[in-house]
Amino acid sequence: EAQVTQNPRYLITVTGKKLTVTCSQNMNHEYMSWYRQDPGLGLRQIYYSMNVEVTDKGDVPEGYKVSRKEKRNFPLILESPSPNQTSLYFCASGTYNEQFFGPGTRLTVL
Amino acid sequence: QKEVEQNSGPLSVPEGAIASLNCTYSDRGSQSFFWYRQYSGKSPELIMFIYSNGDKEDGRFTAQLNKASQYVSLLIRDSQPSDSATYLCAAGYNFNKFYFGSGTKLNVKP
Repeated sequence: EAQVTQNPRYLITVTGKKLTVTCSQNMNHEYMSWYRQDPGLGLRQIYYSMNVEVTDKGDVPEGYKVSRKEKRNFPLILESPSPNQTSLYFCASGTYNEQFFGPGTRLTVL
Repeated sequence: QKEVEQNSGPLSVPEGAIASLNCTYSDRGSQSFFWYRQYSGKSPELIMFIYSNGDKEDGRFTAQLNKASQYVSLLIRDSQPSDSATYLCAAGYNFNKFYFGSGTKLNVKP
């Protein structure tokens, strides 16, 4: 089944404790992207990657890091999470006509 | 700042009616436009994309783009209760950056 998977789906952590949210796709897409979704603000793009080893900032990259060492994986790293990073995070992969979104990761930073 | 604006709703329509969803965008450099549907607690899924001025039809859905007015709309004909969801409008730049509106909640009443 063609899909984008994210792990974990839910995470509660404390300020400053480094965490990684994994994202993997099995559709051989070159393009992958991370978004956060907050009430009233919609989806905002954090980082995107056009291909392996090629990443660039989206609209809200502060406090986040990404890496793209393999085509299928695009992890999101929060080196020192803060409460304002509490949000619902979506990973997506696709083409310029369509993005396929993962199931989401709900992160709470205390 | 590139912005995509949508009325948050809720927009309520009776079953079988036409639902009209609207979206405006701020940057004339936007090249591609998308409508995604998001059910509560789920991830967004693509309904349609449109690049050129005019109408694009796919089944019960019609997307309309007016670049002069910086306006995108989605018409849903013969609305069904299963169409009840939040509809996200997005504008794309250079096929790698995407800006989403905060969504319009649609309720289709049986």
